[in-house]
Amino acid sequence: DQQVKQNSPSLSVQEGRISILNCDYTNSMFDYFLWYKKYPAEGPTFLISISSIKDKNEDGRFTVFLNKSAKHLSLHIVPSQPGDSAVYFCADYTGANSKLTFGKGITLSVRP
Amino acid sequence: DADVTQTPRNRITKTGKRIMLECSQTKGHDRMYWYRQDPGLGLRLIYYSFDVKDINKGEISDGYSVSRQAQAKFSLSLESAIPNQTALYFCATSDSGLSNEQYFGPGTRLTVT
Repeated sequence: DQQVKQNSPSLSVQEGRISILNCDYTNSMFDYFLWYKKYPAEGPTFLISISSIKDKNEDGRFTVFLNKSAKHLSLHIVPSQPGDSAVYFCADYTGANSKLTFGKGITLSVRP
Repeated sequence: DADVTQTPRNRITKTGKRIMLECSQTKGHDRMYWYRQDPGLGLRLIYYSFDVKDINKGEISDGYSVSRQAQAKFSLSLESAIPNQTALYFCATSDSGLSNEQYFGPGTRLTVT
């Protein structure tokens, strides 16, 4: 069974509005969740992370929220910009084995 | 210059051929990883190495082998390529400290005909 689930394959948002990307997980033993962003023909790049002991982390336009009781996290991008159009992956990290487990990704399109 | 480089960037090969994908890094990291990306399946771990003498299988290692020639070099081999190994392959690195972030190369697009 998939450990990290991104159930929506795509999202389209108007420029300037909020983008909300969701991720559900089954592993309660994680230490961090990370979000990666990927443009075509490039490797994924780290965007933002959240520790298991926090429920929110903010970095500029990007905020990640963690709801441990629901085993759910979300990435908010405010305001969305056309340059944010990319594939976004959430991944969990467990220090015990130092591995990342990725979700399937969600394609975000920000319309000008 | 890029911190994590992969060669080749694109490769088309025939079924049954042996092929090697190479990864080099200048970040000085101990840990290196190989992933493959397939449409709709995200990134899946093939092999990982925590140092030159430590090699571990990931979730989809069948049909692949790796070699850690030096701290900075980690190669992935397909001994006898098959069409379902057609995918985008990524190398990544991380340090052995508390950081959980991995740094990815630009990827190799492999097509097996």
